[in-house]
Amino acid sequence: NAGVTQTPKFQVLKTGQSMTLQCAQDMNHEYMSWYRQDPGMGLRLIHYSVGAGITDQGEVPNGYNVSRSTTEDFPLRLLSAAPSQTSVYFCASRGTESYEQYFGPGTRLTVT
Amino acid sequence: GQNIDQPTEMTATEGAIVQINCTYQTSGFNGLFWYQQHAGEAPTFLSYNVLDGLEEKGRFSSFLSRSKGYSYLLLKELQMKDSASYLCAVLTPGGSYIPTFGRGTSLIVHP
Repeated sequence: NAGVTQTPKFQVLKTGQSMTLQCAQDMNHEYMSWYRQDPGMGLRLIHYSVGAGITDQGEVPNGYNVSRSTTEDFPLRLLSAAPSQTSVYFCASRGTESYEQYFGPGTRLTVT
Repeated sequence: GQNIDQPTEMTATEGAIVQINCTYQTSGFNGLFWYQQHAGEAPTFLSYNVLDGLEEKGRFSSFLSRSKGYSYLLLKELQMKDSASYLCAVLTPGGSYIPTFGRGTSLIVHP
């Protein structure tokens, strides 16, 4: 099993550009979530999904969209990047048998 | 709302014991996690406490007191590789059961 994979590992965007951060898991997990991590701020929840076709907002959803068309994939879209979105983004998943989350390796995003 | 507090940074000596505290004030409580995160890497699961008391797992132990809203992670026989951030996260009732994370404690182990 590859676990949770994220692409790209690094990305630099200009203000106003759009892009999609990819997240996939091969563990057949129902629950998936996106976090951002900023220095001194810990992990903050952006959006999450409890199954294919179901998504909801977390603590800091503004500026981000998600969709969940399959169990495996949970992409995060930035429609118009802003410097405040410079951060490290982590995707995580968990199954229904345990509350333990498995994290992807992260995407380091810089918006100039 | 949710409030989870941890010390920002701690230092300790190789071979020693260190205790990292976490206090929480949340709307309900289902359990508390500890994760370890090395610099530039993803968090990895260490422990999950639901009931009061101490749970030991090798060199690492985690304690929970629900009545006090308090947990600690105890690391024994510290090694240089234990230098990392330690994240406390609380699971609260709700449809999502997604935990809320504290800001993390950066532990520096020196020789």
